[in-house]
Amino acid sequence: QLQLQESGPGLVKPSETLSLTCAVSGGSISSPTYYWAWFRQPPGRGLEWIGSIYYTGSTYYTPSLKSRVTISGDRSKNQFSLNLTSVTAADTALYYCARSRDIVVTSKFYFDSWGQGALVTVSS
Amino acid sequence: QSALTQPPSASGSPGQSVTISCTGTNSDLGAYDYVSWYQQHPGKAPKLIIFGVTKRPSGVPDRFSGSKSGNTASLTVSGLQAEDEAHYYCSSYAGNNNLLFGGGTRLTVL
Repeated sequence: QLQLQESGPGLVKPSETLSLTCAVSGGSISSPTYYWAWFRQPPGRGLEWIGSIYYTGSTYYTPSLKSRVTISGDRSKNQFSLNLTSVTAADTALYYCARSRDIVVTSKFYFDSWGQGALVTVSS
Repeated sequence: QSALTQPPSASGSPGQSVTISCTGTNSDLGAYDYVSWYQQHPGKAPKLIIFGVTKRPSGVPDRFSGSKSGNTASLTVSGLQAEDEAHYYCSSYAGNNNLLFGGGTRLTVL
């Protein structure tokens, strides 16, 4: 059974870089069948897609964060990561990693497996 | 691009039907049939309940149904049950490999 687990610092200072990792078990980020993505949810607010990565290393980012975001994959560790630079309090959120549905049969923008989320607070 | 527009709240009594709307524009929701809906209970991760406008993943009750007309998508929950009380988020492909979400609707079962 697929499991995704986010990890990383829970507290980041303003202007610094937020870094999170999503460890994948029960599945492989090297599979050509799925996309892997990061989302976030500020406290008490809605979901926001941050970006996605494919096993080839191709990435797609939401326009509003594109200048600050990097998503990368580490096949040897079967994990993928999120880096968000120059953070402010507005980046405080619960960050989720997720896997898409099988892209052979449907769009890469449907996500049916999610981690439990990692809360990141931006504060000095 | 702005987020999709959802009503902040909706409610219904057990057994009733409730419909939640999700409005976009001609450039996003209206242009593509790549609409999905997620259910999120407090403290839990989102769960995909509708994709491709009308399709349900395996295990999602057929009480949940989706539709779309023009720039507006809708999620209907029929035969409301207490366990349906949650937040619901719509999502749509917006072109240029971009994905938008609605602000979410809190569904209360009276």
